[in-house]
Amino acid sequence: AQKVTQAQTEISVVEKEDVTLDCVYETRDTTYYLFWYKQPPSGELVFLIRRNSFDEQNEISGRYSWNFQKSTSSFNFTITASQVVDSAVYFCALTAGANSKLTFGKGITLSVRP
Amino acid sequence: DGGITQSPKYLFRKEGQNVTLSCEQNLNHDAMYWYRQDPGQGLRLIYYSQIVNDFQKGDIAEGYSVSREKKESFPLTVTSAQKNPTAFYLCASSIVFDLNSPLHFGNGTRLTVT
Repeated sequence: AQKVTQAQTEISVVEKEDVTLDCVYETRDTTYYLFWYKQPPSGELVFLIRRNSFDEQNEISGRYSWNFQKSTSSFNFTITASQVVDSAVYFCALTAGANSKLTFGKGITLSVRP
Repeated sequence: DGGITQSPKYLFRKEGQNVTLSCEQNLNHDAMYWYRQDPGQGLRLIYYSQIVNDFQKGDIAEGYSVSREKKESFPLTVTSAQKNPTAFYLCASSIVFDLNSPLHFGNGTRLTVT
């Protein structure tokens, strides 16, 4: 069985603060993929990043960065210099092994105040 | 522009009535999915379809039915057997059904049953 835990449920920060969203996953498969999605108030989920289990390189995309650590089964997401437009629900998700279905965490609601 | 269209955005029904949610995609994707989102629960998979004329139950299929007669269409029927149908429903698609294909989501339909 696979599982994704997003222990933080709600985070509130002031604009320009840095914020890290935590994601811990569980799987027995050696081949798996991790994803982050953003759900703005409009409702649709937007794909942000995909990382496979064989690539532990961290990734940076503008103000966004991701830290993948197999030793702690974590795939954390950091927003640098947060902006009001970053306010959304963020989901971490996992696919693994023969089961190609996405397993989602419960999501983290991020509020960025001006 | 390619994308996924869900309609209507808001839907109201009386208890005991069946209701069908529409999902159309023009991305030429093989796989399509239906998820249900409840507050604090993340996304749960209802049904998915890997190719046209084929579909499988997800984690919470009871009280729902689907069809996949055309590649671009994957309607979801919420039947009167679904005990708690009020929720936000999201349709998604991916190029193929595999571990690493990210999902593309529609804007969702919010169903309220009274």
